[in-house]
Amino acid sequence: DIVLTQSPGTLSLSPGESATLSCRASQSVSSSYLAWYQQNPGQAPRLLIYGASSRATGIPDRFSGSGSGTDFTLTISRLEPEDFAVYYCQQYGSSPQSFGQGTKLEIK
Amino acid sequence: EVQLVESGGGLVQPGGSLRLSCAASGFTFSSYSMNWVRQAPGKGLEWVSYISSSSSTIYYADSVKGRFTISRDNAKNSLYLQMNSLRADDTAVYYCARGPSGVKSRFDPWGQGTLVTVSS
Repeated sequence: DIVLTQSPGTLSLSPGESATLSCRASQSVSSSYLAWYQQNPGQAPRLLIYGASSRATGIPDRFSGSGSGTDFTLTISRLEPEDFAVYYCQQYGSSPQSFGQGTKLEIK
Repeated sequence: EVQLVESGGGLVQPGGSLRLSCAASGFTFSSYSMNWVRQAPGKGLEWVSYISSSSSTIYYADSVKGRFTISRDNAKNSLYLQMNSLRADDTAVYYCARGPSGVKSRFDPWGQGTLVTVSS
């Protein structure tokens, strides 16, 4: 099974700054089947990025994804107050699909 | 608008059973695979089960295999999860999520979730 490790566990930044979130896989993720989700407290996860770098419908271009193989990155530029949430990566190229443990982005 | 609405959660004793439902609207339900994903209180996301659009292919996480059964009724635009022999570690919010690309698919969208609490 592929294990996804996200870092850091918590990231403290101010609005207007940029955030870089990392997701490292224990094995290569086939065909970049890597997604990122945002989850606000008490809400369901929302798809942000799929295929490692494609933005989902309605997601602002402040969110960008990159990476391949075992190392993937979610970058959020010009942080807005609504961006402070928990972010999860998911690999869906190998069975069973799996999620990372999450990175909490908090206001500094 | 694409919408998924879960129901059926609640408090159940260890060893008990519960059936979750997910009502879909705003898209052609019969054309999409579906999934159940759960999240224990204060924890991360765990994929639970997958069902293809025609119900011909079904997968389960090892943690629920033999205890949970996923099914769907395309005529009713509904997804189900029958949960038997429930344990305390099954306590979680259960989400249904659409898989736009079959078994190798991201999840989009997700329902709002239904809470299952297993406790005596």
